[in-house]
Amino acid sequence: QQQVKQSPQSLIVQKGGISIINCAYENTAFDYFPWYQQFPGKGPALLIAIRPDVSEKKEGRFTISFNKSAKQFSLHIMDSQPGDSATYFCAATEHKLSFGAGTTVTVRA
Amino acid sequence: DTAVSQTPKYLVTQMGNDKSIKCEQNLGHDTMYWYKQDSKKFLKIMFSYNNKELIINETVPNRFSPKSPDKAHLNLHINSLELGDSAVYFCASSQGTGPFGYTFGSGTRLTVV
Repeated sequence: QQQVKQSPQSLIVQKGGISIINCAYENTAFDYFPWYQQFPGKGPALLIAIRPDVSEKKEGRFTISFNKSAKQFSLHIMDSQPGDSATYFCAATEHKLSFGAGTTVTVRA
Repeated sequence: DTAVSQTPKYLVTQMGNDKSIKCEQNLGHDTMYWYKQDSKKFLKIMFSYNNKELIINETVPNRFSPKSPDKAHLNLHINSLELGDSAVYFCASSQGTGPFGYTFGSGTRLTVV
C-alpha cells in the first residue's frame, strides 16, 4: 500500500514556466519530507527537503510548500529549464523512506 | 569521490541462476538500504541495515538475502532468479534511521531471461 500519493504522473511545461507536483499522506508520524530528482540511468538524488514544523522552504528555483493540517505538500519548480527534465519523487520518512509514484517532468525549449 | 557505489551496473542472467550485487559507501553513514525500482519507476524498500544489524525486512521472498560484513558494505544475494526479479536495484545510505536524506547509488539493472 502506497503511503505517499503523488500527482500528476507526468507533466509538460514550456521553458520558463512553473512545474507543480503535489503529494498527500495519511501517516502523521512522518517527520521528514524530501524530494528526489532522478535522471535516466542514475539513482535518485536529494533535491530539497522539509520538516513538518515548517510551511515553506526555498532553494534556488525549487520550493516546497507544506500544509500539515491537510497532510499535503508540493514542489514548485520556477523558471523551468530543459535540464530540469527528469522524474521527481516525493517521499516521507518514519524510520524508512517511503516514496510517491513519481512524476516525469518534460521541459520544452 | 565520496559516494555510494554498486557493482555491477548491468546484470543479465538466466532464470534459476544465483547472483550477487555489491554495495559500498564511503560517506561514514551507519545505515544502508536496498530499494527495488520496477518498470513503472516505483521505488520500494527491501532491506535496511544499521551498524551491520538488519532492522527492516519488507515482504521480500526468502530468495533475497542481504549481507552486511561491516557498516560500509551491504551486499544482496538472490537465489533461483525469476523473470519477475527483473528491475533496477538501488543501494542507499543515510546517517542514522531518523529524518535524514538518503544517498543512492547509480543502480544495478537486473534482467532475467
